[in-house]
Amino acid sequence: GEDVEQSLFLSVREGDSSVINCTYTDSSSTYLYWYKQEPGAGLQLLTYIFSNMDMKQDQRLTVLLNKKDKHLSLRIADTQTGDSAIYFCAEIKPGFQKLVFGTGTRLLVSP
Amino acid sequence: GAVVSQHPSWVICKSGTSVKIECRSLDFQATTMFWYRQFPKQSLMLMATSNEGSKATYEQGVEKDKFLINHASLTLSTLTVTSAHPEDSSFYICSLQGNGYTFGSGTRLTVV
Repeated sequence: GEDVEQSLFLSVREGDSSVINCTYTDSSSTYLYWYKQEPGAGLQLLTYIFSNMDMKQDQRLTVLLNKKDKHLSLRIADTQTGDSAIYFCAEIKPGFQKLVFGTGTRLLVSP
Repeated sequence: GAVVSQHPSWVICKSGTSVKIECRSLDFQATTMFWYRQFPKQSLMLMATSNEGSKATYEQGVEKDKFLINHASLTLSTLTVTSAHPEDSSFYICSLQGNGYTFGSGTRLTVV
């Protein structure tokens, strides 16, 4: 499809792991990003992965990339209430500078 | 990464007036900046790519005469919403490409 797709909503309990999924559009995209947006704020870069990698871990965050299926996931370990936000995946298509964002996943973490 | 300052954070204006939003790169010379628009509970849509010293490149469907972009220096890009109408009410975010992509804190525009 033309859009970068994400599930709309995810609800977890504090201390659980969260997995946010993303299906992107172009298998030749070079970089794939995860951003966090809190209410009324801009975007905060969480992590990114280069297309020749399968996995990247950064503290509580683990990114998995399946290029064949054009599937990207973000796992947040030991999710905290402060992780409640909207999470966007984004891709850079080859030959273009611009980021194309996913539809966003609203993560709600309950105590 | 680069530090981006965007202001105002929020603005309310009357229909028919124009509003200018500034995006400053505080520690990086940005030849390219990006302007996004975000409707409530929706994703970010790229409006235009701002190029220092030249005309901006607008995405399909974005009115260049309504959304004026000026990128006169390596540290400042401005977006002017001209003759604003209530349907222009939205959240506008700038971004620059430095070591990765860095975003401003956004401007919430409400047109009444």
